[in-house]
Amino acid sequence: SAVISQKPSRDICQRGTSLTIQCQVDSQVTMMFWYRQQPGQSLTLIATANQGSEATYESGFVIDKFPISRPNLTFSTLTVSNMSPEDSSIYLCSVGDRGPDTQYFGPGTRLTVL
Amino acid sequence: GENVEQHPSTLSVQEGDSAVIKCTYSDSASNYFPWYKQELGKRPQLIIDIRSNVGEKKDQRIAVTLNKTAKHFSLHITETQPEDSAVYFCAASIAEYGNKLVFGAGTILRVKS
Repeated sequence: SAVISQKPSRDICQRGTSLTIQCQVDSQVTMMFWYRQQPGQSLTLIATANQGSEATYESGFVIDKFPISRPNLTFSTLTVSNMSPEDSSIYLCSVGDRGPDTQYFGPGTRLTVL
Repeated sequence: GENVEQHPSTLSVQEGDSAVIKCTYSDSASNYFPWYKQELGKRPQLIIDIRSNVGEKKDQRIAVTLNKTAKHFSLHITETQPEDSAVYFCAASIAEYGNKLVFGAGTILRVKS
């Protein structure tokens, strides 16, 4: 399967600031997704990162808060804007590999907002 | 939209026993059902998956069964080992909706040695 990396692996940020998380894949993939995993919780899809067009956001997530870029088939960024302590979570990217539905996850970015 | 319920939330078994985790889904259009294992501090790892045209799939000690009529699917782990201890998540997706995964709440599995 594809090798997926994320940067940073963790960060501690002040409220009101923004953080951009990068997701890099070692091969071209069609589908890329961003998920949030709040402490002790399950995974929730934030958006589908579409190459060459605007991301598709799930209910409860908006572009102004979580802008996403997907400049090519191997890279995507998620920005968490104007952060508050409630944004403290693990943010994971996933890619569709070996077929349109199979998803593999990156190592995640652990974000703490003070 | 799709809703996935997962039970139990925690499961403790003795080493060597079997473990079963069950999930139900709401949307009959769901056609792909993966299971992920997440160890503490690590990423979710895909351990097995099943598609709607198959009733059962097995990979060594792990098996998944799917009942489309009842809209539920289950993960079976036989001969459990301490390294099976982790959080397990089921999920469902629909091809027509962009293959977006909807996850269950997770099951904490503890294998006691």
